[in-house]
Amino acid sequence: ETGVTQSPTHLIKTRGQQVTLRCSSQSGHNTVSWYQQALGQGPQFIFQYYREEENGRGNFPPRFSGLQFPNYSSELNVNALELDDSALYLCASSATQNTGELFFGEGSRLTVL
Amino acid sequence: RKEVEQDPGPFNVPEGATVAFNCTYSNSASQSFFWYRQDCRKEPKLLMSVYSSGNEDGRFTAQLNRASQYISLLIRDSKLSDSATYLCVVNIGNFNKFYFGSGTKLNVKP
Repeated sequence: ETGVTQSPTHLIKTRGQQVTLRCSSQSGHNTVSWYQQALGQGPQFIFQYYREEENGRGNFPPRFSGLQFPNYSSELNVNALELDDSALYLCASSATQNTGELFFGEGSRLTVL
Repeated sequence: RKEVEQDPGPFNVPEGATVAFNCTYSNSASQSFFWYRQDCRKEPKLLMSVYSSGNEDGRFTAQLNRASQYISLLIRDSKLSDSATYLCVVNIGNFNKFYFGSGTKLNVKP
């Protein structure tokens, strides 16, 4: 167990809806990153949060947004859902910004119909 | 062009075999390199970092060739429990972005 927990584990939405995914980082970790993993693909970097500030972003549109809270937990929000947003969303926590050792949660599997 | 390319496999090998995976990366500014392992429908987990001088961890050996921009992973004496998808990961200068390959699937058969 990595100590990173995500909720919900599975959810189904329809196009145009909005979704919020949640992540609790491992104790002592102040950095949280979010990744999208489509079926058969590797995880794709969405963004990273460090001390409640967005600290780097991948090639995702603005309708993907996030927050980090003082306890270092985090949320990923996706507005105006599209069919292609169907994927596993992984949260990873790390002790610092520049370590390659990412501790992943088990993910939230989103299906958009 | 993808930042990190891997052969998707699958590699089907018998127990005890030696198997090697390669991964290429496109950005010469890449600074750090890793192999992650992902079991079916589970989250990725760090297998090992890859250092310029090469490094070994038990049955696993990782190599980095900066001139040719590729990374390799060698698994000796394969076990059934090694069956998984192996993800190549590269940090491209910007310390907070990690690029994952699509993964190479390994099936170790009895």
